[in-house]
Amino acid sequence: EAQVTQNPRYLITVTGKKLTVTCSQNMNHEYMSWYRQDPGLGLRQIYYSMNVEVTDKGDVPEGYKVSRKEKRNFPLILESPSPNQTSLYFCASSLIENTGELFFGEGSRLTVL
Amino acid sequence: EDQVTQSPEALRLQEGESSSLNCSYTVSGLRGLFWYRQDPGKGPEFLFTLYSAGEEKEKERLKATLTKKESFLHITAPKPEDSATYLCAVHALTGTASKLTFGTGTRLQVTL
Repeated sequence: EAQVTQNPRYLITVTGKKLTVTCSQNMNHEYMSWYRQDPGLGLRQIYYSMNVEVTDKGDVPEGYKVSRKEKRNFPLILESPSPNQTSLYFCASSLIENTGELFFGEGSRLTVL
Repeated sequence: EDQVTQSPEALRLQEGESSSLNCSYTVSGLRGLFWYRQDPGKGPEFLFTLYSAGEEKEKERLKATLTKKESFLHITAPKPEDSATYLCAVHALTGTASKLTFGTGTRLQVTL
């Protein structure tokens, strides 16, 4: 089954404690992206990757890092989480860059205390 | 700056009561407009792509249309299982870069 898998789905952490949200897709997609979804603000892009070892900032990259060492994986790293990073995070992928026809993961709800 | 505005924010319909959701946009260099459905606790699910004014796409009770300034998602004779948040997104070319901008969605509730 074609899917984008994120882990963890739910996480409560404290300010400053580094965490990683993993994302894996099994569709051999070149393009992967991370979004955060906040009430009243819609989905905002954090980082994206057009292929292995190629990553770039989206609209709200501050406080986040990513890496793309393998085509299927695109982890999101919060080196020192802060309460304003409390949000619902989605990983998405598509066959080629920026088609707009994205496959989304189930989401990871992060709370930073 | 690219803008995507969806209305209404929320809509409550009775089963069988047809209606339309609106997505208006202000972008230069439109490359495509996309509709997604999002169920509570789930990621958005792709529904339609529209590329040019006058284009229409249909899927079951849903029909998406596009003009030069807005898109409509028409829901004909909705059922309770159509309850979800519907998102639109616009893919536009800005200079040499392309960008996908999402609206904040319309939350649809269909009751018996």
